[in-house]
Amino acid sequence: DVVLTQSPLSLPVTLGQPASISCRSSQSLVHSDGNTYLNWFQHRPGQSPWRLIYKVSNRDLGVPDRFSGSGSGTDFTLKISRVEAEDVGVYYCMQGTHWPPFTFGQGTKLEIK
Amino acid sequence: QIQLVESGGGVLQPGRSLRLSCAASGFTFSDYGMHWVRQAPGKGLEWVALISYDGTNKYNADSVKGRFTISRDNSKNTLYLQMNSLRAEDTAVYYCAKAAPTVTALGMDVWGQGTTVTVSS
Repeated sequence: DVVLTQSPLSLPVTLGQPASISCRSSQSLVHSDGNTYLNWFQHRPGQSPWRLIYKVSNRDLGVPDRFSGSGSGTDFTLKISRVEAEDVGVYYCMQGTHWPPFTFGQGTKLEIK
Repeated sequence: QIQLVESGGGVLQPGRSLRLSCAASGFTFSDYGMHWVRQAPGKGLEWVALISYDGTNKYNADSVKGRFTISRDNSKNTLYLQMNSLRAEDTAVYYCAKAAPTVTALGMDVWGQGTTVTVSS
């Protein structure tokens, strides 16, 4: 199974400052169809998870443009250009290239300093 | 507006059985695969199972293989998870999630609010 390793696991950020989360895969996430199926989810306290990014860098409808995804192969990054209070929560990367199973990273908890 | 509402969670002893339900609305349920994903207390997300749009193909995580069965009733727009031989390590919030369109590898896009299952003696 593919193992996704996120860092850091805890991310204290000052409001208005940027934030970055890394997700590294135990094997390449490039699918035989040429796409890379790496998603990012946000899980706010008391809410259901919400997909932010799919296929590495595609923002979902309604996701603020301060969120961006990048990367290739085995190394991926989620960036928030200017953190806002509503961004508090846990962020997960997830791969679908080598399913089953679909696998998630351990999660990164973003909090406001 | 897509809505997924889980129900059926509860507290029960190890070895018992439970069936979770997920009522879907706001989209054509019979056109999409559906997932179950869980989150144990203090842990991250773990994919549990996937069923194809018509119910013919099913996939399980190794941790639940032989104990959990995913199913669906497209006439009722409802997804199910039959959980047998429950263990303490199955204690979690269980989410149903709609499969993303077109390509299974895209995973899930919309999630429900979750239902809590606690297995304890």
